[in-house]
Amino acid sequence: QVQLQQPGAELVKPGASVKMSCKASGYTFTSYWINWVKQRPGQGLEWIGEIYPGRGITNYNEKFKSKATLTLDTSSSTAFMQLSSLTYEDSAVYYCSRRGAGAMDYWGQGTSVTVSS
Amino acid sequence: DIQMTQSPSSLSASLGGKVTITCKASQDINKYIAWYQHKPGKGPRLLIHYTSTLQPGIPSRFSGSGSRRDYSFSISNLEPEDIATYYCLQYDNLWTFGGGTKLEI
Repeated sequence: QVQLQQPGAELVKPGASVKMSCKASGYTFTSYWINWVKQRPGQGLEWIGEIYPGRGITNYNEKFKSKATLTLDTSSSTAFMQLSSLTYEDSAVYYCSRRGAGAMDYWGQGTSVTVSS
Repeated sequence: DIQMTQSPSSLSASLGGKVTITCKASQDINKYIAWYQHKPGKGPRLLIHYTSTLQPGIPSRFSGSGSRRDYSFSISNLEPEDIATYYCLQYDNLWTFGGGTKLEI
């Protein structure tokens, strides 16, 4: 079955960077886009960007172009998102999801990032 | 960028009742709208895509309709497990979520 595995939590200091992972299984990794979505505490969902493992193509929400970098390791079917120059506003849960035949069909459990000194 | 205006932001309903949530796009999205159920501690769950197509395993008491800029999502025969926040998502041009609707029963 399709699964997207994400680590549960990361604690990082302001000004630092964090690189989180999304390990896919149960399908052909290179055939489906991977999306990343942010949810701040008490807030809604916000699309960050997407990457196509088959070709390494990326699309970003303009708001996150200088904040997020999406990369891949196709040998391990893993997508990564690095967030740079972290501030308290980056404290959130970050989800990865797969784009299937209709919208984002499978989601990870999310990684909770806490930015704190 | 396409904006999605979702309403209401919260609503309260009775078991066995029906609720309807609407999303209005800032431009025609050609029926490329999906609806999600989101519960705390979990990833969102896709219920409906392309306006009205139910995902496998989703009960028929969930439904969607609409066209051009105006879309709606309904849940009938409300059950306790329907307590969640619901989001619309346009995917005609990149991706934009609606603001969410918190459902209480």
